[in-house]
Amino acid sequence: EAGVAQSPRYKIIEKRQSVAFWCNPISGHATLYWYQQILGQGPKLLIQFQNNGVVDDSQLPKDRFSAERLKGVDSTLKIQPAKLEDSAVYLCASSWVAGGFDNEQFFGPGTRLTVL
Amino acid sequence: QKEVEQNSGPLSVPEGAIASLNCTYSDRGSQSFFWYRQYSGKSPELIMSIYSNGDKEDGRFTAQLNKASQYVSLLIRDSQPSDSATYLCAPLRVGRLYFGRGTQLTVWP
Repeated sequence: EAGVAQSPRYKIIEKRQSVAFWCNPISGHATLYWYQQILGQGPKLLIQFQNNGVVDDSQLPKDRFSAERLKGVDSTLKIQPAKLEDSAVYLCASSWVAGGFDNEQFFGPGTRLTVL
Repeated sequence: QKEVEQNSGPLSVPEGAIASLNCTYSDRGSQSFFWYRQYSGKSPELIMSIYSNGDKEDGRFTAQLNKASQYVSLLIRDSQPSDSATYLCAPLRVGRLYFGRGTQLTVWP
């Protein structure tokens, strides 16, 4: 079974530029998550999709971050314009459905973003 | 008070010893609890989940949950150098995981 795919793996940009990340979840997984992990901290949920609908985006800085999951499969996360504090690893995860007691989330390799 | 607190670490144990990783959580609505392992530069991978009070064993790993005390722990028996990683505690509430900062474990030969 193929895992969660993400690209690019690394990205370096200057502040105020824009950047986009792509995620392809495990086939058949209805739920997709984007997390931000700052060095030395645990992952923080940015947005959760169930199929192509948003379940939770309460932690997404909507003035600069946007995400979409067209057709309920692939997803993109965009930052525009980037700030220095956006430097982090952006992790995509997927699971069968949300809410189950033992609902395992499978993580992709992440995209390491450096904002200069 | 933080949502999830873990031993500050880093934790260092010799090979073959028992490593004990602790986690407390603030929200009694948390339904189940997940332990993820994260090697440096890698993404988190699930080790164990637990949702009933008591112990749950899987090989060298034992998760313990006490909902009254809002406490969950992970014991690693016969620790190996390959267990050296950061361990993340993550309670699940309303379909969402809340991750702690993690505890860095080093197992030295």
